Amino acid sequence: RKEVEQDPGPFNVPEGATVAFNCTYSNSASQSFFWYRQDCRKEPKLLMSVYSSGNEDGRFTAQLNRASQYISLLIRDSKLSDSATYLCVVNRTGANSKLTFGKGITLSVRP
Amino acid sequence: SQTIHQWPATLVQPVGSPLSLECTVEGTSNPNLYWYRQAAGRGLQLLFYSVGIGQISSEVPQNLSASRPQDRQFILSSKKLLLSDSGFYLCAWTLLSGNTIYFGEGSWLTVV
Repeated sequence: RKEVEQDPGPFNVPEGATVAFNCTYSNSASQSFFWYRQDCRKEPKLLMSVYSSGNEDGRFTAQLNRASQYISLLIRDSKLSDSATYLCVVNRTGANSKLTFGKGITLSVRP
Repeated sequence: SQTIHQWPATLVQPVGSPLSLECTVEGTSNPNLYWYRQAAGRGLQLLFYSVGIGQISSEVPQNLSASRPQDRQFILSSKKLLLSDSGFYLCAWTLLSGNTIYFGEGSWLTVV
């Protein structure tokens, strides 16, 4: 089983749609979680951290389920500008710190 | 505030030629530094990471090497490039006590 696995894609949705991405991780020692956004031919940029209680930033909601070992990202009222690749990142901190990236899922929002 | 820069942004190199990509971080001390490669349609592959000056760990055996001559400088090199070295190379940093990773702007390498 891969350390971090993301939904297969791509996702193609109309403007205004709600879209959800899931990401599962295999190492229960993982301690921090993030979603990054990567635009075409650009570097990944932090979209939001994922907290145990779940967190929201405008149209974006991130959730963590430690029992089932997955994180999710919900985008409401999709905009054309949301078109990008979304990467989940899982971090095992401490002495054996290791960041692991999902392969990313590409979202295309159409007019 | 902290910033990270890498260069060159784009380069086209013939097979067998050398490579040097440079990355510098400003506004922080003793960061963990990383080199990643992202091939077309694939995920991020960790190539090297460094926890301090002169300390380099390699994740994937290949014809690339990395050096950290100064605290905030990280260099990716190759003596002889292969076609398979083409890709998007990203330098990144994290703080020892933190865990959010920040990326440089990336360098597009095409080996011809």
